[in-house]
Amino acid sequence: DTGVSQDPRHKITKRGQNVTFRCDPISEHNRLYWYRQTLGQGPEFLTYFQNEAQLEKSRLLSDRFSAERPKGSFSTLEIQRTEQGDSAMYLCASSETGGNEKLFFGSGTQLSVL
Amino acid sequence: SQQGEEDPQALSIQEGENATMNCSYKTSINNLQWYRQNSGRGLVHLILIRSNEREKHSGRLRVTLDTSKKSSSLLITASRAADTASYFCATDSGSARQLTFGSGTQLTVLP
Repeated sequence: DTGVSQDPRHKITKRGQNVTFRCDPISEHNRLYWYRQTLGQGPEFLTYFQNEAQLEKSRLLSDRFSAERPKGSFSTLEIQRTEQGDSAMYLCASSETGGNEKLFFGSGTQLSVL
Repeated sequence: SQQGEEDPQALSIQEGENATMNCSYKTSINNLQWYRQNSGRGLVHLILIRSNEREKHSGRLRVTLDTSKKSSSLLITASRAADTASYFCATDSGSARQLTFGSGTQLTVLP
């Protein structure tokens, strides 16, 4: 059990560019979540996968955002045509089946859009 | 949107003192969890209390839940400098598969 890992840890990009983040959950966890967190706030839910199926998406997830989890293992979150308002920490978490029990979080990807 | 609101937003205490943080939420819940976040890091789960429980202990942590008032409190006893972090409550409501987090309490424990 190596925990949830996220890559990269930091990403600086220019407005209008596309960025992609990766999350590797704990191997036996079939639930995977993406959250976004801005300074001084709690994490806000973006989307949720059970295995490879994306079962919920927040209205925060505009059409510029897309997430995938091929084969039910790692997940990617892509943001197209980035805007300065996308600057935030993007957190990935995983959990076992059985409901909203405890989440295991990665260290996050800090995105800065210039 | 944030379901919960923590109070206070910031708390500064001396090492050895107790720290109490409160969380209020809006809708009925299945369970409530508390997480800790060190600066620039991910969140770490501390404790979960179910809606039919009133109090739970884990080491130096004590959590209470009052569903009639839609509130919870987290008590950290005999605080240490290493407890310095942000603390968030998170609620699991009904069929939602997402946890909804509050805005957090920033705890500073002075050595």
